Amino acid sequence: DAGVIQSPRHEVTEMGQEVTLRCKPISGHNSLFWYRQTMMRGLELLIYFNNNVPIDDSGMPEDRFSAKMPNASFSTLKIQPSEPRDSAVYFCASSLGRRAYEQYFGPGTRLTVT
Amino acid sequence: GIQVEQSPPDLILQEGANSTLRCNFSDSVNNLQWFHQNPWGQLINLFYIPSGTKQNGRLSATTVATERYSLLYISSSQTTDSGVYFCAVGSTGFQKLVFGTGTRLLVSP
Repeated sequence: DAGVIQSPRHEVTEMGQEVTLRCKPISGHNSLFWYRQTMMRGLELLIYFNNNVPIDDSGMPEDRFSAKMPNASFSTLKIQPSEPRDSAVYFCASSLGRRAYEQYFGPGTRLTVT
Repeated sequence: GIQVEQSPPDLILQEGANSTLRCNFSDSVNNLQWFHQNPWGQLINLFYIPSGTKQNGRLSATTVATERYSLLYISSSQTTDSGVYFCAVGSTGFQKLVFGTGTRLLVSP
C-alpha cells in the first residue's frame, strides 16, 4: 500500500516567491496533519484537518501560511510570500479517525528559501 | 500545553550493545508514538503505545501512563539503528502530537 505522498521532495526558492507543498494521505484516512521541523523548534504541528475541515490551525505561524484540503485525497500548504526563516522540512501525516489514532508520516519536503 | 522530555539527548553505543531510551510527559495522554528518524530524514513508525508493552524484533516499548513515562528498549544494536528517536504524545481530547526533542543514537561497528 502506498504511504503518505508528498511533493516536491526538495524546493529551493527565492525570498518573496510563492511556495506550494502538496500531500496525498493514505487512502481511507480522514485526518491529515502538517508539521514543520527546524533545528531551533524541532517538530511542531502547523494545522490539522478532519474530514477535510480544518480543526486546529493554532500552529500556523502567520498569515503568510495557508492550507487547504479540497478533497479527501489531497491537501496543500502554501507560503506567500516566502522568507528565509521558512526554510525547514515540512511533513504531512495522516491517520484514521478523529480521535487518537496512529499517525503515519510522509517523506517530507525540504524547503530552502534564499 | 503538555510537555515531553526525552533522555538521554545523545547516546553512543558499540554494535551489539543494549540501550534504554526514556520519555517523560506532563499530562494524561491518549496517544503515544515512538519514531525513528533515519539519516535520510524519514520518520519511521516504531510503536503506537499509549499504554502497555509491545515488542517488534529487537525493539520493545513500555508505557506506564499512570506514572507518565514510556521506555524504548533496543537490544543487540546495529549500525542501521543510528538516527534520532522521537517520542510524541497526544493529550486527551486532542489529535495533535507533541514531540520531544529526541535522542540521537550513534551505533559504531
